Amino acid sequence: KAGVTQTPRYLIKTRGQQVTLSCSPISGHRSVSWYQQTPGQGLQFLFEYFSETQRNKGNFPGRFSGRQFSNSRSEMNVSTLELGDSALYLCASGRVYSYNEQFFGPGTRLTVL
Amino acid sequence: GQQVMQIPQYQHVQEGEDFTTYCNSSTTLSNIQWYKQRPGGHPVFLIQLVKSGEVKKQKRLTFQFGEAKKNSSLHITATQTTDVGTYFCAGNGGETSGSRLTFGEGTQLTVNP
Repeated sequence: KAGVTQTPRYLIKTRGQQVTLSCSPISGHRSVSWYQQTPGQGLQFLFEYFSETQRNKGNFPGRFSGRQFSNSRSEMNVSTLELGDSALYLCASGRVYSYNEQFFGPGTRLTVL
Repeated sequence: GQQVMQIPQYQHVQEGEDFTTYCNSSTTLSNIQWYKQRPGGHPVFLIQLVKSGEVKKQKRLTFQFGEAKKNSSLHITATQTTDVGTYFCAGNGGETSGSRLTFGEGTQLTVNP
C-alpha cells in the first residue's frame, strides 16, 4: 500500500506570496492532519480534516487554511507568507477520527525569503 | 492548553548503553503515542499506550504509561547505531481531540559505535 505523499517536496517563496501544499493520504484513510515542524517550536498541530470537515484547529493565524476533498486528499494554503513560516510542513493520515496511529508523509520544506 | 514536556533534549550514548526519555503532560491524556524521526526523515509511529499503568515492549524498546496517565517513558536497552534519531512522545486528549497530537520537544539520540 502506498504511503502518504506530499507535493511539492521543496518550495521557495518570497514574503507576501501565498502557497498551496498538497497531501494524498494512504488509501482508505479518512483523517488528514497537518503539522508544522521548526527547530524552535518543534512539531505543532495546524488542523485536522475528516470527511471533508475541519474537526480540529491549532493556534495558528487565519493565514493558514486547509480543505479536504471527497477522495480524502487535502490541501493547505498559507497566504501572505512571512519569514517565520519557513518550516517543514508534514501531513499525517489516519484510518479513523481518533485513537489511531498517524502515518506521516515526507513533508514539504518551505523556505520564505 | 495542553502541554507535553520531554526530557532530556539530547542524549549521547556509547553503543550498548541504555537510553531513556521521559514525557510529562500538563493534563490527563486519553492516550500517548511515540514516534521516531531519523535525520532528514519524517516521524514514524512506534506505539500507542491507552491504559493507565500500561507497559509495552518491542524487542529492546520498553514503553510505559503512568498510573495518572500524565507521564510516559521510553527505554531502549543496549542501544545500536540504528537507534539514532529523535524520539517524540505525543499526547492525545480524547475523542473530542480527534487525531490531534500534542508533541513533546523530542529527545535527540546519538549513538557512538
